[in-house]
Amino acid sequence: GAVVSQHPSWVICKSGTSVKIECRSLDFQATTMFWYRQFPKQSLMLMATSNEGSKATYEQGVEKDKFLINHASLTLSTLTVTSAHPEDSSFYICSAGLQGMVETQYFGPGTRLLVL
Amino acid sequence: KQEVTQIPAALSVPEGENLVLNCSFTDSAIYNLQWFRQDPGKGLTSLLLIQSSQREQTSGRLNASLDKSSGRSTLYIAASQPGDSATYLCAVKSNQFYFGTGTSLTVIP
Repeated sequence: GAVVSQHPSWVICKSGTSVKIECRSLDFQATTMFWYRQFPKQSLMLMATSNEGSKATYEQGVEKDKFLINHASLTLSTLTVTSAHPEDSSFYICSAGLQGMVETQYFGPGTRLLVL
Repeated sequence: KQEVTQIPAALSVPEGENLVLNCSFTDSAIYNLQWFRQDPGKGLTSLLLIQSSQREQTSGRLNASLDKSSGRSTLYIAASQPGDSATYLCAVKSNQFYFGTGTSLTVIP
């Protein structure tokens, strides 16, 4: 089956630093990738939709200058949390849609970010 | 905007019991509905995917049903085991994925 990986799985950083999270589709091409955030005991909330070769589409309330998304290839999307603060601590999950089959998405294992 | 609700929020059962998890959604215009399992601090594992034209899907001890017109889905787990303990999320796909808040299941040995 289709596999999506995320790196790193865990990251701890100091307030004010930037953190980059990678999302890769390992055995398929994904024209569209999605980034979600999950706070403790809450459900996943879509942050942005990332399309290969174009700008990401952000959901209402998500700061595009703070959460930089780059989708440079059909197998890689990155989310950079710029100038991270403790309130950005969360679980970030990406998913990827099979090219031509966006109804089906495959989810990565998630990245837990802790900002001190 | 689509809203997805899961009931109950938490459930504790003794091993061997059959159980039902409920999911409801407000907009019936969906492509599919998916049930996921999430272990603490982990990502999502897809359990069952029901296309909008389907009524149910089965995988092993799991059976998921979909009644799109009434905006409901159930996940039936037969003969529960301690290893089934996890949070179960349902998600509907319309223009994007909308997730419920999950049901935290504990199966007591």
